[in-house]
Amino acid sequence: GAVVSQHPSWVICKSGTSVKIECRSLDFQATTMFWYRQFPKQSLMLMATSNEGSKATYEQGVEKDKFLINHASLTLSTLTVTSAHPEDSSFYICSAGPGALFGSGTQLSVL
Amino acid sequence: GNSVTQMEGPVTLSEEAFLTINCTYTATGYPSLFWYVQYPGEGLQLLLKATKADDKGSNKGFEATYRKETTSFHLEKGSVQVSDSAVYFCALSDQMGGSYIPTFGRGTSLIVHP
Repeated sequence: GAVVSQHPSWVICKSGTSVKIECRSLDFQATTMFWYRQFPKQSLMLMATSNEGSKATYEQGVEKDKFLINHASLTLSTLTVTSAHPEDSSFYICSAGPGALFGSGTQLSVL
Repeated sequence: GNSVTQMEGPVTLSEEAFLTINCTYTATGYPSLFWYVQYPGEGLQLLLKATKADDKGSNKGFEATYRKETTSFHLEKGSVQVSDSAVYFCALSDQMGGSYIPTFGRGTSLIVHP
């Protein structure tokens, strides 16, 4: 059945480095994918809407140069956290498809 | 715009107690409704869903009925277990253009004691 696969599940990186997170739709094509961020003890916050073949739409307050989104195919969207800092440490999760299928999430820890 | 309101936690219960987590929504369209569960250290998992009025979603002993007249989708379980301890998110998914936009509640933490 339709599944959203997200990789990696967790990543630890040094401050100043960049981290790429992948979100793949399996058994279905997704022209639109969503990227969320979850702060501890809070709900998910929509960061951006990833559109296949065009620029992502970012929510207010989300730095587009900081969080680069690429949706180059109908089954893959990537989120790159550039020049990561400790305050970027969070849980990131993507979703796609009718019925809001979710990836398993990525826990990012920036040292 | 769309919004989801769910009861604040934490909800603390003893094992085998009855559980209700309230969820109400506002939506401009005719949304699908969901409950997600997040166990400690894990990502969200879909628990159950309902796509039209009066539908009842159920899974693992949890149930929720889509009530259009009260715009509610309350989560219930007759007898909770320690393993049900998690954060539960109510959500709706409404169609805008060709995309389904999900909106989440703030989450309700459930703690079940032996």
